[in-house]
Amino acid sequence: AQKITQTQPGMFVQEKEAVTLDCTYDTSDPSYGLFWYKQPSSGEMIFLIYQGSYDQQNATEGRYSLNFQKARKSANLVISASQLGDSAMYFCAMREGLTGGGNKLTFGTGTQLKVEL
Amino acid sequence: DTEVTQTPKHLVMGMTNKKSLKCEQHMGHRAMYWYKQKAKKPPELMFVYSYEKLSINESVPSRFSPECPNSSLLNLHLHALQPEDSALYLCASSQDFGYVGPQHFGDGTRLSIL
Repeated sequence: AQKITQTQPGMFVQEKEAVTLDCTYDTSDPSYGLFWYKQPSSGEMIFLIYQGSYDQQNATEGRYSLNFQKARKSANLVISASQLGDSAMYFCAMREGLTGGGNKLTFGTGTQLKVEL
Repeated sequence: DTEVTQTPKHLVMGMTNKKSLKCEQHMGHRAMYWYKQKAKKPPELMFVYSYEKLSINESVPSRFSPECPNSSLLNLHLHALQPEDSALYLCASSQDFGYVGPQHFGDGTRLSIL
């Protein structure tokens, strides 16, 4: 079974609008971390936001927020006020366990976001 | 600007060549990683170094040989590669292997095998 599922291969959004990128995960480990990365066409993988499984509040970083619904095992990324520079591939990733599993990331298949004028 | 520096940015090599990819970080991180990424796919983990010792080798063919000369530097030596090895190679680092926080990636090296 897929540990990280991103069901939207491609998304379009108008500039200045908000967009939600979906991510669901599957783990039986009570301790895990969820990450979102942005990868522009140039190739670099840019860390955006992190949510720990024990965090009580949803993570936010500037225009990025993570809608963490633990019971539904979802960790959707919300980008507010989209900009042309947000056009990129977005990957959801998970690491399981604290020290036993190490910092080994499992990535989803990605969502290609295109921001339009 | 990324805090993980990879060189070269692009590399074209023949199947009989020997070349090396280099990765450097000065964040004091003690875990470093090599990933391979094919177009429109997620990164795949190849190797993990923790405190300069090889911690994980994800059954990578021996034509890829990693090396960690010190805590800031990670190399990937390439020899007798195949056309299917053409990909983006990403280096990453994290505080240590048990750290729950993010891995920080470099810009990658785009490798083409002729």
